[in-house]
Amino acid sequence: GAGVSQSPRYKVAKRGQDVALRCDPISGHVSLFWYQQALGQGPEFLTYFQNEAQLDKSGLPSDRFFAERPEGSVSTLKIQRTQQEDSAVYLCASSPNSGAKETQYFGPGTRLLVL
Amino acid sequence: GENVEQHPSTLSVQEGDSAVIKCTYSDSASNYFPWYKQELGKRPQLIIDIRSNVGEKKDQRIAVTLNKTAKHFSLHITETQPEDSAVYFCAASINRNMLTFGGGTRLMVKP
Repeated sequence: GAGVSQSPRYKVAKRGQDVALRCDPISGHVSLFWYQQALGQGPEFLTYFQNEAQLDKSGLPSDRFFAERPEGSVSTLKIQRTQQEDSAVYLCASSPNSGAKETQYFGPGTRLLVL
Repeated sequence: GENVEQHPSTLSVQEGDSAVIKCTYSDSASNYFPWYKQELGKRPQLIIDIRSNVGEKKDQRIAVTLNKTAKHFSLHITETQPEDSAVYFCAASINRNMLTFGGGTRLMVKP
């Protein structure tokens, strides 16, 4: 079946612009995670959804970052007033059941470049 | 919070040799330890995982060992092949909401 998809795959933004990144998880997956991966580093946790409930947003770096999953399927990560340090690959992952203690299926990522 | 350190950052081996990547974690409450492989420009994919009630797990040429007392776990790849070349990430889960990843190891298998 279809895996996790993300769009756009690449995004170039001018500093100060708002961006919205979309994640389509595997159908029926309960859990959805967002990660930020800087060049040459491991993914860093941003936020976690169980269905439509955002259970953990402790990794969001500032109040410019906002995520939602209103119907428990598609999720959007929004970054307001982008800064150069926001440049990274944003990865979305989903898993069939609740929690982080099982296989997470990753999307291909959105590469964000803020100029 | 949890801290995961991974070594080495780069590893070069000859085809057919073994490769070992080591990770240490800080929180003794961590109980789930997956390993992900990420090829250049591609998404991370789970290759093996281990839970804290098990000391070792094998899947063909790949094995993972866990030492809870020392708070470290290792990935072992035997009979390496060029297609094993990638970046490998270890991770640890202390709570149910997140994984904490190591910094990655770039493995290069020379034919």
